[in-house]
Amino acid sequence: ETGVTQSPTHLIKTRGQQVTLRCSSQSGHNTVSWYQQALGQGPQFIFQYYREEENGRGNFPPRFSGLQFPNYSSELNVNALELDDSALYLCASSLPGAGGTGELFFGEGSRLTVL
Amino acid sequence: AQSVTQLGSHVSVSEGALVLLRCNYSSSVPPYLFWYVQYPNQGLQLLLKYTSAATLVKGINGFEAEFKKSETSFHLTKPSAHMSDAAEYFCAVSPYSSASKIIFGSGTRLSIRP
Repeated sequence: ETGVTQSPTHLIKTRGQQVTLRCSSQSGHNTVSWYQQALGQGPQFIFQYYREEENGRGNFPPRFSGLQFPNYSSELNVNALELDDSALYLCASSLPGAGGTGELFFGEGSRLTVL
Repeated sequence: AQSVTQLGSHVSVSEGALVLLRCNYSSSVPPYLFWYVQYPNQGLQLLLKYTSAATLVKGINGFEAEFKKSETSFHLTKPSAHMSDAAEYFCAVSPYSSASKIIFGSGTRLSIRP
């Protein structure tokens, strides 16, 4: 069984640029959540996708957007990067059913540095 | 709305000593509660979860947590700390009715002294 994989693992961008982060969910999982973890803080919920539709969003501006594909993989896009966007971005997949117990299976994250 | 508060950003115990990491939650509906662990440069891994069954929940690596509704607490304990327990621990909550998003606390870093 393949776990959650994220790419790239590390990347550096400059202010104003755009970035796309990718996530492959664990086999059989149709729900993907994205979290932002700033240094020394807990993960902050960005949004969740269930069967290719956004299913909940945290307190993040519209320049954070996402997609989920028919194979349940997902992308996180961030436009007009700001210095405060520097963080570890975590993708998590979960078992079928949006009303499940909510156990999340995390990837190792993509560390974004904005200069 | 749901939230969790973790008391103590850093806890240090001696190897073999009791580990106690504190978490208090706030939820307007019956919650699901979780403890996750994060080792350096890794993603988060589920330690244990409470989903309205038994109030004392046992997890992996000898950890357990007790759900106390009267105290709105879900503290994590382990009787005897091991060096390999050094990591960041996160308490988290989601609403019982729809676990569509999980809200994490700010984390507690556990250090183990030899």
